[in-house]
Amino acid sequence: QSALTQPASVPGSPGQSITISCSGTGSDVGAYNFVSWYQQHPGKAPKLMIYDVNNRPSGVSNRFSGSKSGYTASLTISGLQTEDEADYYCSSFTSSSTYVFGTGTKVTVL
Amino acid sequence: QVHLQGSGPGLVKPSETLSLTCNVSGSSIGVGYYWGWIRQPPGKGLEWIGNFYHSGSTYYNPSLKSRVTISVDTSKNQFSLKLSSVTAADTAVYYCARRGFISDDAFDVWGQGTMVTVSS
Repeated sequence: QSALTQPASVPGSPGQSITISCSGTGSDVGAYNFVSWYQQHPGKAPKLMIYDVNNRPSGVSNRFSGSKSGYTASLTISGLQTEDEADYYCSSFTSSSTYVFGTGTKVTVL
Repeated sequence: QVHLQGSGPGLVKPSETLSLTCNVSGSSIGVGYYWGWIRQPPGKGLEWIGNFYHSGSTYYNPSLKSRVTISVDTSKNQFSLKLSSVTAADTAVYYCARRGFISDDAFDVWGQGTMVTVSS
């Protein structure tokens, strides 16, 4: 299984909104609404930010939102803050009953 | 509150078997959810290794399936990873994680990560 495709980096200014894309295939992102997003700060374990395409776990800021269209899922961060600077990974369930992660996106707050 | 604590040797020789254990507190692994492993090579992205369901079913990444075994010890409330015939490409931080509490697809609780280096 191939990793889902994400942009390597997305820059943004404080207060701005940014969107990270996650492109898959008809066997993963396009087949199920089982896409989740994770935030990872350096040296830390990943943290769940979005699940089932557009649901936020308790405690996650409503500045984070998710969506999906066809084979591409997206994570939008609105009102960008310095603490949002981190790596972000998408993940999807696949038709083989396995999981695949995205290549990862580094968000830089300028 | 659920807490996962991974442990194991930090250095493994090439061709040998990597063995890690994840101790679970705050939840019984025998009564529900999926428990598994994810790894991250230095400076690279996340890779799903596999997981087991409390009923006993196991699921593995096809690229690692021939070398991976995930097992559980319900009496100790812990689960383990064995990866055989390791090479330098298996050098990574190995995370244990839970899936299936919020949603079947969400890894909602992660261990702190265990760095394993494969080198002679």
